[in-house]
Amino acid sequence: NAGVTQTPKFQVLKTGQSMTLQCAQDMNHNSMYWYRQDPGMGLRLIYYSASEGTTDKGEVPNGYNVSRLNKREFSLRLESAAPSQTSVYFCASRFGGLETQYFGPGTRLLVL
Amino acid sequence: TQLLEQSPQFLSIQEGENLTVYCNSSSVFSSLQWYRQEPGEGPVLLVTVVTGGEVKKLKRLTFQFGDARKDSSLHITAAQPGDTGLYLCAVRGGGGTSYGKLTFGQGTILTVHP
Repeated sequence: NAGVTQTPKFQVLKTGQSMTLQCAQDMNHNSMYWYRQDPGMGLRLIYYSASEGTTDKGEVPNGYNVSRLNKREFSLRLESAAPSQTSVYFCASRFGGLETQYFGPGTRLLVL
Repeated sequence: TQLLEQSPQFLSIQEGENLTVYCNSSSVFSSLQWYRQEPGEGPVLLVTVVTGGEVKKLKRLTFQFGDARKDSSLHITAAQPGDTGLYLCAVRGGGGTSYGKLTFGQGTILTVHP
């Protein structure tokens, strides 16, 4: 099992460009999450999907959209990237009812 | 204001030393988790504590949940270079149905020098 995979690993964007971060899990988990990690801030929840077909906002959703394409895949889209969105983005998944979240390796995004 | 305050933010020690990392809040939690994150990777769950006063051990790591379930500590005995990383505490989001959402502390960066 690969666990949680994320693509791309690194990306450089110019202000105003758009891109989609991809996340997939092969553990048959119901819930999936997108976090961003900035220095001194820990991880902050952007969006989550409690189950296939549902999505909801987290703590810092502005400037982002998400799609739960199927049970395996949960993508994060930046429509018009801003320098404030420079960060490391982590996707995570969880089997409903259990505490443990499993994280992917992250996508490092730089917006110039 | 952070829901969870971790201290210290940075810790640089020599191999063999002991250390304690703290996670504090003014709120009461039903459970609290500790994660470790190594450079270039995602966080990995170390432990979940659920009962006030609970102590859990994982080899040289000892985790304690405060009696009032507002705070927690992580103690490492005889630290090794392999313990180097970012240590994060986390709690489930507020509200009756949290869907597993986590709120994290800002983390403690630990460096253990050989």
